[in-house]
Amino acid sequence: GAGVSQTPSNKVTEKGKYVELRCDPISGHTALYWYRQSLGQGPEFLIYFQGTGAADDSGLPNDRFFAVRPEGSVSTLKIQRTERGDSAVYLCASSLNQNSPLHFGNGTRLTVT
Amino acid sequence: KQEVTQIPAALSVPEGENLVLNCSFTDSAIYNLQWFRQDPGKGLTSLLLIQSSQREQTSGRLNASLDKSSGRSTLYIAASQPGDSATYLCAVEHDNFNKFYFGSGTKLNVKP
Repeated sequence: GAGVSQTPSNKVTEKGKYVELRCDPISGHTALYWYRQSLGQGPEFLIYFQGTGAADDSGLPNDRFFAVRPEGSVSTLKIQRTERGDSAVYLCASSLNQNSPLHFGNGTRLTVT
Repeated sequence: KQEVTQIPAALSVPEGENLVLNCSFTDSAIYNLQWFRQDPGKGLTSLLLIQSSQREQTSGRLNASLDKSSGRSTLYIAASQPGDSATYLCAVEHDNFNKFYFGSGTKLNVKP
């Protein structure tokens, strides 16, 4: 079946602009995660959704970052007033439940110039 | 905060060799541990998931062990092949928090 889909695969934006990154999880997966990965590092937790609600947003670096999942499936990560330090690969993952493996998308590579 | 360390950071071996990748974590209050593979420019692929009550999991040529009390996990790869070349990451899920902490990975190169 289809895996986790992330769009766009690449996004180049100018400093100060607003961006939206989309994640389409595997159908039926209630848990959805956003991670950020910098070169040579492991993914860093940003936010976790269980259904429509953000169960844990403790990893969001500041209030420029926000994520939604209004219908419990597709999620959008929104970044306002982008900064060069936001450049990274943003990964989305979903899982069926807590005892199930995480399934990752291929990520969105964000470059802020 | 949970700290996850993977040693070595990089490893190059000839084809056919058996090898061990190491993962250590500082807080033993974990719910489960997963090993992932990441190919360049791609997302992560789950290889093995070990629940905290388990000692090991096996899938084909891969075997992962977990020693929660000492904060260690190993991934054993038997009879390595060039197609195994990738970065291998371990991640621990904190007990009941649904938050995964990742190591920085071990970059494996298997030479033909």
